[in-house]
Amino acid sequence: GAVVSQHPSRVICKSGTSVKIECRSLDFQATTMFWYRQFPKQSLMLMATSNEGSKATYEQGVEKDKFLINHASLTLSTLTVTSAHPEDSSFYICSARDSKDIYNSPLHFGNGTRLTVT
Amino acid sequence: AQSVTQPDIHITVSEGASLELRCNYSYGATPYLFWYVQSPGQGLQLLLKYFSGDTLVQGIKGFEAEFKRSQSSFNLRKPSVHWSDAAEYFCAVGARSGNTPLVFGKGTRLSVIA
Repeated sequence: GAVVSQHPSRVICKSGTSVKIECRSLDFQATTMFWYRQFPKQSLMLMATSNEGSKATYEQGVEKDKFLINHASLTLSTLTVTSAHPEDSSFYICSARDSKDIYNSPLHFGNGTRLTVT
Repeated sequence: AQSVTQPDIHITVSEGASLELRCNYSYGATPYLFWYVQSPGQGLQLLLKYFSGDTLVQGIKGFEAEFKRSQSSFNLRKPSVHWSDAAEYFCAVGARSGNTPLVFGKGTRLSVIA
């Protein structure tokens, strides 16, 4: 079945540094990927929509200069948390569906990245 | 606007007992409907989905869900719960047009006791 690989699974960084999270579709192409953020014991909130070859679309309240998204190929999207602060600590999950069958394909999720900013 | 309500934050059931997790949605048309399961610290695994056709859909791990248009509901059921089913369950809705994201409910945490 379709697999979305997310890396790293866990990262600890110091305040003020930047962290890059990768999301790859392993056996399908994804022109669009979605980045979600999940706070402890809460639901998933959509942060942004990543579009291959063009700018990402951010949800209201999400700082585009802080959460840089790049979708350089049909199988890779990256989220960079710049100048991280402790309040950015969270669980970040990417998702994608097969671009060749978007009307019948569900969203497949990566295993998430636990970011801790100290 | 799309929204999903999961009225039960936490449910505890005995192993072997039946289970029903409630999900109500608000959407302008008939949406795509999904149930996902999340174990602690993990991503989401798709349990089942409803796109069209038979309103009773079967999923993995013995789960099923029934789409009831008149009630705007998509409740998840399992006849006999196993201890390994303890996890967080999310109901989600999506549009039928284009490559769009899903909107999730707040989730229901399932605990299973012996």
